[in-house]
Amino acid sequence: EADIYQTPRYLVIGTGKKITLECSQTMGHDKMYWYQQDPGMELHLIHYSYGVNSTEKGDLSSESTVSRIRTEHFPLTLESARPSHTSQYLCASSPPLHRDYGYTFGSGTRLTVV
Amino acid sequence: AQKVTQAQTEISVVEKEDVTLDCVYETRDTTYYLFWYKQPPSGELVFLIRRNSFDEQNEISGRYSWNFQKSTSSFNFTITASQVVDSAVYFCALSEGNNAGNMLTFGGGTRLMVKP
Repeated sequence: EADIYQTPRYLVIGTGKKITLECSQTMGHDKMYWYQQDPGMELHLIHYSYGVNSTEKGDLSSESTVSRIRTEHFPLTLESARPSHTSQYLCASSPPLHRDYGYTFGSGTRLTVV
Repeated sequence: AQKVTQAQTEISVVEKEDVTLDCVYETRDTTYYLFWYKQPPSGELVFLIRRNSFDEQNEISGRYSWNFQKSTSSFNFTITASQVVDSAVYFCALSEGNNAGNMLTFGGGTRLMVKP
């Protein structure tokens, strides 16, 4: 059973629309991440958060924004979707210090902008 | 700066063949973690294994095995007697520092196709 949830799973939307991709986790993790995965497979970090009211941009410049008002919730928003935003978006969270495992990923949102 | 290289973009094998996926990493830290993730066609990333830099012991889990060699900065992944269900994209990743939850740097991925 997944501990990190992303909705919607698939989304087709027209150019110029505002969209929010949802990500929620039930593990109480402080650290959360958004990755963009292009069709060529590579994963690019676009946003991360180390806790409530903490958000940072990642390695890949993105026109999206994020917020972290609650520990469990890390939504990503595109104010005006464009075809270049067509991609898969993966949300992840990671545990506190000295735990055994790395990230837990959500199932992803496949976004198509037409 | 940390970097992970998966030189094999795509590998195709026939069922029951053994296959090795290569992973080479770069880091200046003496403490780091290495990971392998599997991404099946459904899209989610599934955690397979974590190794820290002080543990060079190789690991076997069923048909999967991992060979960690600090001398060559490699963390290769072997699937023995491959099956069609092994078809997926596999990612190697690196996290620097003493916390396995620190930021991950991913390799470019290797797409494995296992044909019946």
